[in-house]
Amino acid sequence: QKEVEQDPGPLSVPEGAIVSLNCTYSNSAFQYFMWYRQYSRKGPELLMYTYSSGNKEDGRFTAQVDKSSKYISLFIRDSQPSDSATYLCAMSGGSNYKLTFGKGTLLTVNP
Amino acid sequence: DTEVTQTPKHLVMGMTNKKSLKCEQHMGHRAMYWYKQKAKKPPELMFVYSYEKLSINESVPSRFSPECPNSSLLNLHLHALQPEDSALYLCASSQVGFRNTEAFFGQGTRLTVV
Repeated sequence: QKEVEQDPGPLSVPEGAIVSLNCTYSNSAFQYFMWYRQYSRKGPELLMYTYSSGNKEDGRFTAQVDKSSKYISLFIRDSQPSDSATYLCAMSGGSNYKLTFGKGTLLTVNP
Repeated sequence: DTEVTQTPKHLVMGMTNKKSLKCEQHMGHRAMYWYKQKAKKPPELMFVYSYEKLSINESVPSRFSPECPNSSLLNLHLHALQPEDSALYLCASSQVGFRNTEAFFGQGTRLTVV
């Protein structure tokens, strides 16, 4: 079993839709959870960072962490064509600062 | 400012060449990272520096040699690379400490080995 599982998609939605992206993990040591957006041929851009169970909202983005279920989600409201990118979940724990990534989900928002 | 700057953006090198990738951040971060990313794959960790000391080497071949001259700079020296080393090389940085470990990435150097 991989430490972090993420459905690679691709996921295609119409403009304005609510998008739900998810990752599951098996390592109980993970304490810090991140979502990155990566456009083609660019570096990953940090969207959300959380370290506790619950919800965190930033504009159209909401990150949700459920440590008891080892499940994290990213919701995008009112999706825009500019949101079309690959979304990577990443997590870390312990003292070594190593990020473990999911495979990434390719999202396309159609106008 | 959450910027990590990498140079060059693109690099083509022969298998006998020696080249260096450079990374700079001015966020006061004391952990810096090199990742390698192949097409349609997530980034793979290569090295971690913490307080300018190498703390993690993910069994990377010796043809890749990292260097952290100071708290703002990170280099990756390349020598005798193989075509399969062609990839996007990403630098990242983060704070060191409890609950401050979110990592910020640069735009990467796209390396082609011919």
